[in-house]
Amino acid sequence: EVQLVQSGAEVKKPGESLRISCKASGYLFNSYIIAWVRQVPGKGLEWMGTVFPGDSTTTYSQSFQGQVTISVDKAVTTAYLQWSNLGASDSGIYYCARRSLPGSTFRGRYGLDVWGQGTTVTVSS
Amino acid sequence: DIQMTQFPASLSASVGDRVSISCRASQTISSYLNWYHQKPGKAPKLLIRAASSLHTGVPSRFSGSGSGTEFTLTINGLQPEDSGTYFCQQTYSDPSYTFGQGTKLEIK
Repeated sequence: EVQLVQSGAEVKKPGESLRISCKASGYLFNSYIIAWVRQVPGKGLEWMGTVFPGDSTTTYSQSFQGQVTISVDKAVTTAYLQWSNLGASDSGIYYCARRSLPGSTFRGRYGLDVWGQGTTVTVSS
Repeated sequence: DIQMTQFPASLSASVGDRVSISCRASQTISSYLNWYHQKPGKAPKLLIRAASSLHTGVPSRFSGSGSGTEFTLTINGLQPEDSGTYFCQQTYSDPSYTFGQGTKLEIK
């Protein structure tokens, strides 16, 4: 079964660092882009960025460029999203998801077909 | 970034009804448009890609149309499990593949 399993909920203080994970299984991990999407409860979905495990290439939306780091460890088929200096505005639910067609470029007529269950991040003093 | 605007923001319909949800892009995106359905507390699920191609396993009562800047998701014969929020997403303009703000569908 193709699945993405994310790490558990986190409660952090402002200024702390954090790394959450997205473990992939059931498919050829190196061939499919992984995307990260944020959702603030009651709000919509925000595109954060992507990583292509084949060569670890990352892309970021302007809103998240410099605010987070996306990475991947092919040896354990896991993608990561990390922060070095959390703020209250980073609170939300973070989803990883797989582009439905293999390849290194996200742009195209394909969507996100497999999603993780989401990781809730709460940043509060 | 390309802005995606959905309307209505919410709607209520009965089982068996036909409903349509619209999505407008701030600039042309050809047919690079996906639709997702999200239930409360769950991750979104892909319904339609490329504006009109049904994703594997999605019931045929769902259909999509449009190109350029105007798109529509239609559900023919609404079922109770279709409640939730629907999002459109453009995959035309990298690196930010923006989503619409969502349309909340309630089943009466």
